[in-house]
Amino acid sequence: GNSVTQMEGPVTLSEEAFLTINCTYTATGYPSLFWYVQYPGEGLQLLLKATKADDKGSNKGFEATYRKETTSFHLEKGSVQVSDSAVYFCALSSGNEKLTFGTGTRLTIIP
Amino acid sequence: GAGVSQSPRYKVAKRGQDVALRCDPISGHVSLFWYQQALGQGPEFLTYFQNEAQLDKSGLPSDRFFAERPEGSVSTLKIQRTQQEDSAVYLCASSFQGAQKETQYFGPGTRLLVL
Repeated sequence: GNSVTQMEGPVTLSEEAFLTINCTYTATGYPSLFWYVQYPGEGLQLLLKATKADDKGSNKGFEATYRKETTSFHLEKGSVQVSDSAVYFCALSSGNEKLTFGTGTRLTIIP
Repeated sequence: GAGVSQSPRYKVAKRGQDVALRCDPISGHVSLFWYQQALGQGPEFLTYFQNEAQLDKSGLPSDRFFAERPEGSVSTLKIQRTQQEDSAVYLCASSFQGAQKETQYFGPGTRLLVL
């Protein structure tokens, strides 16, 4: 079946540091890949997505590249801000519409 | 425009009580999903509707869980004879057509606590 493994947290970084949150997946067929973010007190919202191999999703300075050869979709940002503090979820959808999520990574940025 | 709304936002139930959780999807969205999120975990799929048809209910954990969407818009997730292990946040999401590539839009969730 489908599964998503993401970097365990929590992750604490200083403002302006470089961020990487690792995500790997197992899926049948050719999945679409997503990063969702949950800010404190808010609901899940889409951060970025990629729907085929080698696509790069980007939003708000975050990027992730769909790597079929390594079955990965790592999230990166060059310079994090305090406002990026949130829980980040990697997810996939493969042929059957429903999303399969990782366990989430809590990110805290300190000034 | 309005997003996905869910009610109630919080529900406390005594073990054995029945509860009903409501989801109002984005207007015009054909597909509606329910997920269960335990504390510190990612959401897990429960069930999926396309219009009024329930196409996948493979994630419902027991026959105490029942979902409906009779007119293809509002959906209700019902849990009968609640147990402590049912305590979780229940998330509803909708998408325009439910295709693999589409974004699912999530509501704020209903936090259920069973005592």
